[in-house]
Amino acid sequence: TQLLEQSPQFLSIQEGENLTVYCNSSSVFSSLQWYRQEPGEGPVLLVTVVTGGEVKKLKRLTFQFGDARKDSSLHITAAQPGDTGLYLCAGASDQTGANNLFFGTGTRLTVIP
Amino acid sequence: DSGVTQTPKHLITATGQRVTLRCSPRSGDLSVYWYQQSLDQGLQFLIQYYNGEERAKGNILERFSAQQFPDLHSELNLSSLELGDSALYFCASSASGTPGLTQYFGPGTRLTVL
Repeated sequence: TQLLEQSPQFLSIQEGENLTVYCNSSSVFSSLQWYRQEPGEGPVLLVTVVTGGEVKKLKRLTFQFGDARKDSSLHITAAQPGDTGLYLCAGASDQTGANNLFFGTGTRLTVIP
Repeated sequence: DSGVTQTPKHLITATGQRVTLRCSPRSGDLSVYWYQQSLDQGLQFLIQYYNGEERAKGNILERFSAQQFPDLHSELNLSSLELGDSALYFCASSASGTPGLTQYFGPGTRLTVL
């Protein structure tokens, strides 16, 4: 099992604050994805990073893939209540022919107005 | 809307029973994945099918089985249900089984075993 640990597990912040969520593993992944999940719904893909060191920006969200492709971070600038949700990182297996995702433990973010 | 559909949305049943969850992938996607999400275990990969054939297996119990049909829809069969099987079951699809491809998730089936 390729374990992905996220930190923090829970985060409650005021609107307008910045935050960073971390996703760490001892395994190398061919790519890493970040999802946001609302209660009662399926995870929705935010971004996919595939190259070590890659940085992608999605409005106020910045995603980075570690140089060794073992870790990633998600930084949110000026958080808004609409950012509230469960954030999940997921690494794609490096095994040939397989594309199963190994999900992180999740970070539950609450942004207080 | 991801384009992946799952039925039923909710399912309530008793211990020892058998249920079938259904998933229709996005149009054109050949690969289907099943995941289980429970409060204490997070999102766990169960099994993957690609164009009708099993491609990868994760933490799937022997009481569980799945298949993908010629029209590419998939079914997850859960038998001899136990209280601990209560969870959200998600189906996802991707264009192929190539590592790194985006997986699109359905809305899930919430299974409650009483």
